[in-house]
Amino acid sequence: NFMLTQPHSVSESPGKTVTISCTRSSGSIASNYVQWYQQRPGSSPTTVIYEDNQRPSGVPDRFSGSIDSSSNSASLTISGLKTEDEADYYCQSYDSSNHWVFGGGTKLTVL
Amino acid sequence: EVQLVESGGGLVQPGGSLRLSCAASGFTFSSYEMNWVRQAPGKGLEWVSYISSSGSTIYYADSVKGRFTISRDNAKNSLYLQMNSLRAEDTAVYYCAREGVYANPDVWGQGTTVTVSS
Repeated sequence: NFMLTQPHSVSESPGKTVTISCTRSSGSIASNYVQWYQQRPGSSPTTVIYEDNQRPSGVPDRFSGSIDSSSNSASLTISGLKTEDEADYYCQSYDSSNHWVFGGGTKLTVL
Repeated sequence: EVQLVESGGGLVQPGGSLRLSCAASGFTFSSYEMNWVRQAPGKGLEWVSYISSSGSTIYYADSVKGRFTISRDNAKNSLYLQMNSLRAEDTAVYYCAREGVYANPDVWGQGTTVTVSS
């Protein structure tokens, strides 16, 4: 099985753009869709990106997702950062049995 | 409103047992595959177990295989997780999660906390 590796933390100022990476340890990042979840303290995760780059209704277009086969990674980009974006973000994909595999999570600080 | 509500968490001694429940409402529970996901204190998300909509297909993470049993009662719109031989490393918030049309978790419960300690 593979692992999804995320940076432990990132920080950026309000109004700026931040990108969170998610690197797959083995197998192609393009072989299975990648989702991204936002989890605020004390709350359950919510989906911000599904199927690599699709936004659920209600998620602002400041959130975007992409994959890069050359680095075997997925990325979540948040532009026009707001203090309300401060949260933990998790990437998720699927193993060969279609079981969910989560990244370790990235703490986003907006300061 | 689509909702999942977990219950049954608590403090249990190592080697003990606990049964978690997840009550579903606002959608046709019998049509959806369901999962349990856990989150240890200060840690990330870990998939625990999967059950198909009919209950005929079940999978477990290696970390819980042989100790945990997932089940569902579609007549009661409920999902369960029987946890036996509990260990300190099972301490976590346990979420039930609906598997959406894109095969990812699209609805999460609020979680129930399991603490394994003497």
